[in-house]
Amino acid sequence: DIQLTQSPSFLSASVGDRVTITCRASQGISSYLAWYQQKPGKAPKLLIYAASTLQSGVPSRFSGSGSGTEFTLTISSLQPEDFATYYCQQLNSYPRNFGGGTKVEIK
Amino acid sequence: QVQLQESGPGLVKPSQTLSLTCTVSGGSISSGDYYWSWIRQPPGKGLEWIGYIYYSGSTYYNPSLKSRVTISVDTSKNQFSLKLSSVTAADTAVYYCAQSDILTGYYSGWGQGTLVTVSS
Repeated sequence: DIQLTQSPSFLSASVGDRVTITCRASQGISSYLAWYQQKPGKAPKLLIYAASTLQSGVPSRFSGSGSGTEFTLTISSLQPEDFATYYCQQLNSYPRNFGGGTKVEIK
Repeated sequence: QVQLQESGPGLVKPSQTLSLTCTVSGGSISSGDYYWSWIRQPPGKGLEWIGYIYYSGSTYYNPSLKSRVTISVDTSKNQFSLKLSSVTAADTAVYYCAQSDILTGYYSGWGQGTLVTVSS
């Protein structure tokens, strides 16, 4: 199984900040990585797939990069509605494991 | 836009079998464009991928749960189902059904989730 390690697991930031979340895979997964946003009591929402492709309707302040074993999700200017937990998921092989999550809270 | 909705008992006794159904509307399970999956999330914890089924009936289960999981599909009802046997308190979670694109694999459609508590 491919394991995904997200860092940090928690971050405190202010509106307008630039935020970067890292996801590291235990083995190479090319660009087969997706990022999701989850708010309390809600299902995850797809933000980015294929490591860097923005899902339709997702604001352009979200961006993804990386390939192989290291990936990043960047929010260029944090907005109030972005405070949530973010998960990466590898789509290279089964089982389709998720990272442990990064909770972004208001500073 | 396809919509997914989970249904089933919210309380299951230890050692019994958890059974959930996901009803798909706004699209056909038999379209062949998607895998139909179950994913769970224990309270306050991260996401765990359980497994998928294709409309043809082919499945793949997470090895960590494989001995206890069965996913089935009923194309006539546009539904797919999850059975998890011999449950314990560790199986208490919000269970989501979701669709993933067969080419890219990403999960673009999710149900709202249903909380299943394992307790006597």
